[in-house]
Amino acid sequence: EVQLVQSGAEVKKPGESLRISCKGSGYSFTSYWISWVRQMPGKGLEWMGRIDPSDSYTNYSPSFQGHVTISADKSISTAYLQWSSLKASDTAMYYCARRGFNYYYMDVWGKGTTVTVSS
Amino acid sequence: QSALTQPASVSGSPGQSITISCTGTSSDVGGYNYVSWYQQHPGKAPKLMIYDVSNRPSGVSNRFSGSKSGNTASLTISGLQAEDEADYYCSSYTSSSTLRVFGGGTKLTVL
Repeated sequence: EVQLVQSGAEVKKPGESLRISCKGSGYSFTSYWISWVRQMPGKGLEWMGRIDPSDSYTNYSPSFQGHVTISADKSISTAYLQWSSLKASDTAMYYCARRGFNYYYMDVWGKGTTVTVSS
Repeated sequence: QSALTQPASVSGSPGQSITISCTGTSSDVGGYNYVSWYQQHPGKAPKLMIYDVSNRPSGVSNRFSGSKSGNTASLTISGLQAEDEADYYCSSYTSSSTLRVFGGGTKLTVL
């Protein structure tokens, strides 16, 4: 079964760092982009960026460039989304999703990781 | 403000058909056949329902169909069922530096 398994919910304080993960299984991890999508409480979906796990090439939405870092470790089929200094406004659900290199849609999604940032 | 414009809500009775619109520009919806639609039930991850404007992934009911005219894409659900009640999001590739944009989402209520 093709799946993306995301790490568990996180509760952090402003200014703290955080890395959440997304592990792929059931397919060739290096044959698909991994995208990250944010959903703030009660709001819609926002595309944050993507990574090619085969060479760690990344693209970011201008809205998120410089605020987050997307990385991957292909040896363990895992992608990451990380913050160096969290803000309360980072409180959201974060989804990872895969996209084929020659396709323009995200066909498999993780269940999401809830990040809560509060003092 | 989302890059793609969707109605905030639509509703219909069981058995009826509804259509959700998704309006963009020539830089996204109108310029490429790369519109996709996602269904999201409360507390769940999004699920791909339509890709490349009008294609259904394996396992998605043929009650769901997609189309596009100019800068507006549409998702039609026929024979509404209670289980169709969810939020629906359109998405498109864009030639801007954003690369991918979503609509603001449409809440479908089955009366």
